Amino acid sequence: AQTIHQWPVAEIKAVGSPLSLGCTIKGKSSPNLYWYWQATGGTLQQLFYSITVGQVESVVQLNLSASRPKDDQFILSTEKLLLSHSGFYLCAWSLIRDWGYEQYFGPGTRLTVL
Amino acid sequence: QQQVRQSPQSLTVWEGETAILNCSYENSAFDYFPWYQQFPGEGPALLIAIRSVSDKKEDGRFTIFFNKREKKLSLHITDSQPGDSATYFCAAGGGSNYKLTFGKGTLLTVTP
Repeated sequence: AQTIHQWPVAEIKAVGSPLSLGCTIKGKSSPNLYWYWQATGGTLQQLFYSITVGQVESVVQLNLSASRPKDDQFILSTEKLLLSHSGFYLCAWSLIRDWGYEQYFGPGTRLTVL
Repeated sequence: QQQVRQSPQSLTVWEGETAILNCSYENSAFDYFPWYQQFPGEGPALLIAIRSVSDKKEDGRFTIFFNKREKKLSLHITDSQPGDSATYFCAAGGGSNYKLTFGKGTLLTVTP
């Protein structure tokens, strides 16, 4: 069975400080991986996706970057946090069907920027 | 431009009633429509999904009705239970496109 782990569970950071959030998936080789952002009480916005190691595509520009250093790892980062970065960050992986992609989400990281 | 719309924003039903959550979309290229259930502080969980080639998908107490011509779909939750109280997101995707577009969600409260 596939398991997806996100770290840290929660972060409180100062405006202007750097950030690194991580996601690891086990039990699935070469998964498609995704980063989403969710404002409190809001919808989910896809930020990045990656279909292979070293390759990341940006969907929305929010002064964030992503990297995929290993097959099972996806990293979200920024050098300088903004207040608007506060929210819930979700990593997801997708199961490839012949008609498309089913996405499954991790437990999320709650980020508060002060 | 919001491509996936959900209504109502919030819904309260009594235990045992059927909850009906609505979703509409604009992009004709969308052909895959998952519904996600999210509890506070947790990641969304895939609940049920339908492809545009079907007009109905059932899984236990959860049923999706899909109308391609009107670009509308609905999630019916029969015999609603307090444990079903959560936010439900309708999403849409298309073919080999990796992107899922989400609606703003419907907050469902089931009162005992």
